[in-house]
Amino acid sequence: DGGITQSPKYLFRKEGQNVTLSCEQNLNHDAMYWYRQDPGQGLRLIYYSQIVNDFQKGDIAEGYSVSREKKESFPLTVTSAQKNPTAFYLCASSIEVPSSGGADEQFFGPGTRLTVL
Amino acid sequence: GEDVEQSLFLSVREGDSSVINCTYTDSSSTYLYWYKQEPGAGLQLLTYIFSNMDMKQDQRLTVLLNKKDKHLSLRIADTQTGDSAIYFCAETLSGGYNKLIFGAGTRLAVHP
Repeated sequence: DGGITQSPKYLFRKEGQNVTLSCEQNLNHDAMYWYRQDPGQGLRLIYYSQIVNDFQKGDIAEGYSVSREKKESFPLTVTSAQKNPTAFYLCASSIEVPSSGGADEQFFGPGTRLTVL
Repeated sequence: GEDVEQSLFLSVREGDSSVINCTYTDSSSTYLYWYKQEPGAGLQLLTYIFSNMDMKQDQRLTVLLNKKDKHLSLRIADTQTGDSAIYFCAETLSGGYNKLIFGAGTRLAVHP
């Protein structure tokens, strides 16, 4: 089955620690995205990647880092510099980042809930 | 500026129609989307509409777009308990990278 997997589903971290969230897709999509979801709010874009070895900051990139060494994988590291990291993190992918005028059909993973203790 | 607004909660009886509303502020929206999120899960794209369309129907789902009023709605006919979820409205804008701008989501509760 094609899809996006995120692991782990639940993650606990002590303050001051970095933690890496995994995102893998076997849809052969070029573009991948990381979002953060907080209760009662819409999704906010952290980082996105249009192609291997390239990524761009989204609206709330501070305190986060990513890499895109393989097409299938787009891990997100939540660093100790992120002031309020407790949230639900969603990874998504699409065939490509659309140029102006194209629909952006993004497919989402099941999410990772990060709690900082 | 970029802003998408939705009411936070809607309760309907099973078998009735649900109408979830969304307003947006940017007139350069190119596409508008409806996503569904079940508890503890990711988002599922339900449907989307191009900004030059007024209506799109897909089985029990009907999307209406009033571009003049910047108003989007999602109608779910014959609402079932399995439709209970959070529904997100989102838009993409013209120019540059078409990032998705999400509303805060409407929680739909379906009761017997």
